Amino acid sequence: DIQMTQSPSSLSASVGDRVTITCRASQGIGNSLAWFQQKPGKAPKSLIFAASRLHSGVPSDFSGSGSGTDFTLTISSLQPEDFATYYCQQYFSYPFTFGQGTKVEIK
Amino acid sequence: QVQLVQSGAEVRKPGASVKVSCKAPADTFTGYDINWVRQATGQGLEWMGWMNPHSGNTGYAQKFQGRVTMTRDTSIATAYMELRSLRSDDTAVYYCARVCRGCGTDYWGQGTLVTVSS
Repeated sequence: DIQMTQSPSSLSASVGDRVTITCRASQGIGNSLAWFQQKPGKAPKSLIFAASRLHSGVPSDFSGSGSGTDFTLTISSLQPEDFATYYCQQYFSYPFTFGQGTKVEIK
Repeated sequence: QVQLVQSGAEVRKPGASVKVSCKAPADTFTGYDINWVRQATGQGLEWMGWMNPHSGNTGYAQKFQGRVTMTRDTSIATAYMELRSLRSDDTAVYYCARVCRGCGTDYWGQGTLVTVSS
């Protein structure tokens, strides 16, 4: 199985900050990497697929990059509604696997 | 906006089975895989398996092999996930998710809480 490792596991930031979350795969996955946002008590929301492509309706403050084994999710200017937990997932091969999550908290 | 509508919360005793449903839009049901993902309270997301509604083909995470079955009824555009021999650590919210091969997961169901307790 491909292991996905996210860092950091949590971070504190202020509104307006630039935030970067990293995700590393245990083997190359091309660009088959997705990012999700989850708020407490809610289903995950799909943000990015193919490492860098935004799903419809996702604000342009979100961006993704990377290929192979190293990926990043960047929020260019953190908004109040962005405080949540973020997960990466590889869909290169079964079983699809998730990172352990990064909780973005208010400083 | 695509909606995946899941069945309601369930309570089961250890050793029992549960079957969760996920209703998708009929016009696109057979064009996307359905994945099932679960999340225990305070924990991360755990991928359980996939099903192709067109063919009925399935694949399961090793952890669930022998205990899970994913099926569908194309006449009502509904996918199902049955988990057997339930244990207390199966208590979780179970999500269905629509997956496009090459574009990953785009839409999620609202989640179904399954509680396993004696």
